[in-house]
Amino acid sequence: AQSVTQPDIHITVSEGASLELRCNYSYGATPYLFWYVQSPGQGLQLLLKYFSGDTLVQGIKGFEAEFKRSQSSFNLRKPSVHWSDAAEYFCAVASGGKSTFGDGTTLTVKP
Amino acid sequence: NAGVTQTPKFQVLKTGQSMTLQCAQDMNHNSMYWYRQDPGMGLRLIYYSASEGTTDKGEVPNGYNVSRLNKREFSLRLESAAPSQTSVYFCASTLAGVLGTETQYFGPGTRLLVL
Repeated sequence: AQSVTQPDIHITVSEGASLELRCNYSYGATPYLFWYVQSPGQGLQLLLKYFSGDTLVQGIKGFEAEFKRSQSSFNLRKPSVHWSDAAEYFCAVASGGKSTFGDGTTLTVKP
Repeated sequence: NAGVTQTPKFQVLKTGQSMTLQCAQDMNHNSMYWYRQDPGMGLRLIYYSASEGTTDKGEVPNGYNVSRLNKREFSLRLESAAPSQTSVYFCASTLAGVLGTETQYFGPGTRLLVL
């Protein structure tokens, strides 16, 4: 069975600092990997996704993620965080039309 | 193009009452899903429908039923609400079955409180 682990429940960074959110997955074959963002009171929105090819994928809002098969990881990064990035972030793995989500990481941005 | 819509946005029920959460998508997607989101627990799949006419249980189906009314609509019913069903419910859809199309598109959620 596929599973996703987001080790950090809550991260606080200063505005303008860099960000890395961790995601580890468990899946037998090459996974479809996603990062979603959820603003308060809203549904989830896709940030980026990896299916195959280049292991560094670019997403919306200046986010990127790197797929590392050897580490079973798909970490999300942003070089300079903006106050509007404060939200909850979910990593997910998809297979056979179903997605499994991590428990989420809440990002707080300090001014 | 409204994407995924859900009604109602908010609902308060008393224990034992029933209700149906409605979901519709206008993206011609094949697959639809119902999740519940509880603090610190991410999203848990309740039921899903891979295609019109089919439904399957997810991780936490007990206490719920679903109906895939047509390709556009997928409803979730609570027959006898319990306080443990207090949660935020999200509907999602995906084209599915085609490589590169498993992105899930989410509705805005229904916030349910069961007293």
